[in-house]
Amino acid sequence: IAGITQAPTSQILAAGRRMTLRCTQDMRHNAMYWYRQDLGLGLRLIHYSNTAGTTGKGEVPDGYSVSRANTDDFPLTLASAVPSQTSVYFCASSEGTSDYNEQFFGPGTRLTVL
Amino acid sequence: RKEVEQDPGPFNVPEGATVAFNCTYSNSASQSFFWYRQDCRKEPKLLMSVYSSGNEDGRFTAQLNRASQYISLLIRDSKLSDSATYLCVVNTQSSASKIIFGSGTRLSIRP
Repeated sequence: IAGITQAPTSQILAAGRRMTLRCTQDMRHNAMYWYRQDLGLGLRLIHYSNTAGTTGKGEVPDGYSVSRANTDDFPLTLASAVPSQTSVYFCASSEGTSDYNEQFFGPGTRLTVL
Repeated sequence: RKEVEQDPGPFNVPEGATVAFNCTYSNSASQSFFWYRQDCRKEPKLLMSVYSSGNEDGRFTAQLNRASQYISLLIRDSKLSDSATYLCVVNTQSSASKIIFGSGTRLSIRP
């Protein structure tokens, strides 16, 4: 069982380019999340999905979009990358969003926008 | 003021020592609390949930103080392998958008 996988592991991207970060889970979890982690700021929620077919905005959604066509996949798209989007991106999933639902994280994607 | 605040550390303690750190939260309506552990350049992993009555898992003890709005993590008989960053997580309500991560406390255990 893989849990959560993310691709690519790392990427260097020119500013203005479009980029999709992939996230797949095989645990049949309902909820999925995208976070970015920057030094000194901790993990900040970008977008989330409570269940397939629904998405919501987190704390820092601008410049990012997501889709949740099925239970397993939750891609994150940067329509036109900017240097401030240089960060480590973590995808996570949980069974639901009720209290005490543990979040399981993918290994992360290290993105550099030049 | 940040919704969830942690002392960034680093806490540098000798092997075998007891170490404790706190995490304060600003929203009194917060429902659930967790400690996650993150190793360098790795993903966060759940260490333990924090219940109102407190909970213990081996050398680790977590406490919740609702009146003062903080949670704590105590590590006894620390091991070299405990070196990591510890993230405090607060869920203000049963909603994905209200899960707030602290920026983490870095712990380094020396031989």
